[in-house]
Amino acid sequence: GDQVEQSPSALSLHEGTGSALRCNFTTTMRAVQWFQQNSRGSLINLFYLASGTKENGRLKSTFNSKESYSTLHIRDAQLEDSGTYFCAAEPYPGWQLIFGSGTQLTVMP
Amino acid sequence: DMKVTQMPRYLIKRMGENVLLECGQDMSHETMYWYRQDPGLGLQLIYISYDVDSNSEGDIPKGYRVSRKKREHFSLILDSAKTNQTSVYFCASRKTGAGNTLYFGEGSRLIVV
Repeated sequence: GDQVEQSPSALSLHEGTGSALRCNFTTTMRAVQWFQQNSRGSLINLFYLASGTKENGRLKSTFNSKESYSTLHIRDAQLEDSGTYFCAAEPYPGWQLIFGSGTQLTVMP
Repeated sequence: DMKVTQMPRYLIKRMGENVLLECGQDMSHETMYWYRQDPGLGLQLIYISYDVDSNSEGDIPKGYRVSRKKREHFSLILDSAKTNQTSVYFCASRKTGAGNTLYFGEGSRLIVV
């Protein structure tokens, strides 16, 4: 079965609001990365976490290995935040990355 | 400049033709990946390479093969392309070891008719 379950699959936000995206893992993961895929299709690395929480501007991400989940919080959403967000997790052993199916975020004026 | 470069960016091929997708990186990363992305399926791992001539199958290797003769280059080859291989292919690289982020190329859109 799928090792990385990402939710929601789609999300609409008005500018200035916020929400959270989540990835649940069915096996123990060593680390997680979050990516944004923009309108041109480029995949941009947002965070790499082996544990704990990281923050960058309006984005904050948490990885809880013991409880097998990771979250990405977006606050004060802007139009340019629109795109598809993917989590990707590293299972033990090896260096593979397993991707979630993505969250398509639309930010509306 | 830290970059992963994919060539070609767009390609149309007839069923049965051979396809070569090339990927280069200028960061001396040991580990490189080929993924394909289809709508609703996220990114699926085709092959992973741990260094020159050290390649392993990913989740969907059937119909593909790879070549890594130099650390900087990782090629994806489709011998006799099929219509269901129409997709966007992404190459990525990272330095081996914990704590190292993944860098993606811009993608190669392949259409097999």
